[in-house]
Amino acid sequence: EDQVTQSPEALRLQEGESSSLNCSYTVSGLRGLFWYRQDPGKGPEFLFTLYSAGEEKEKERLKATLTKKESFLHITAPKPEDSATYLCAVQSFYGQNFVFGPGTRLSVLP
Amino acid sequence: GAGVSQSPRYKVAKRGQDVALRCDPISGHVSLFWYQQALGQGPEFLTYFQNEAQLDKSGLPSDRFFAERPEGSVSTLKIQRTQQEDSAVYLCASSQKGLAPYNEQFFGPGTRLTVL
Repeated sequence: EDQVTQSPEALRLQEGESSSLNCSYTVSGLRGLFWYRQDPGKGPEFLFTLYSAGEEKEKERLKATLTKKESFLHITAPKPEDSATYLCAVQSFYGQNFVFGPGTRLSVLP
Repeated sequence: GAGVSQSPRYKVAKRGQDVALRCDPISGHVSLFWYQQALGQGPEFLTYFQNEAQLDKSGLPSDRFFAERPEGSVSTLKIQRTQQEDSAVYLCASSQKGLAPYNEQFFGPGTRLTVL
């Protein structure tokens, strides 16, 4: 059974304090790993797709990396507007649906 | 519109009532997904359509849940005889093809269902 766990469950950072979020997964053949951002009362917003170990993608203050067992979302010099829940999901070669982790609630304090 | 839209945004139902939730995917997107999200949790898969064909309904929690996409665009998720445990946010997502590299799913804002 495909599974995704995320840590920490919640993270509080001061503005400018860089950190990383972890997504650990087990999947029967990884088609893709996806990062989403979700603000309260809204649907998840797509951030990145990673397909193979060693791949990295960047967008503004965010950088996602992938190994065979986990993915990291690095946040460099975060701002209060980066506060949100960050969700990780995997898609296997044997299905179309995404399996999501529980998310990491990030709070960036000014 | 440019994104996925869902209606209603909020629905309050009395236990035992039937409800219907609507999803308008991004125009031209072949794949459509329904997810259920409990408070403080990640979305959980319910069902998947490719065009009008429902290819996977393994996540539907009971036979009270039914989904359709008759013309391959708009989809409706119906819940019969609602129970309190059905209270959640129901998310709809669409993707261009479902296969890499076009398999990113784009989500709507969700419908928050509260069953009293």
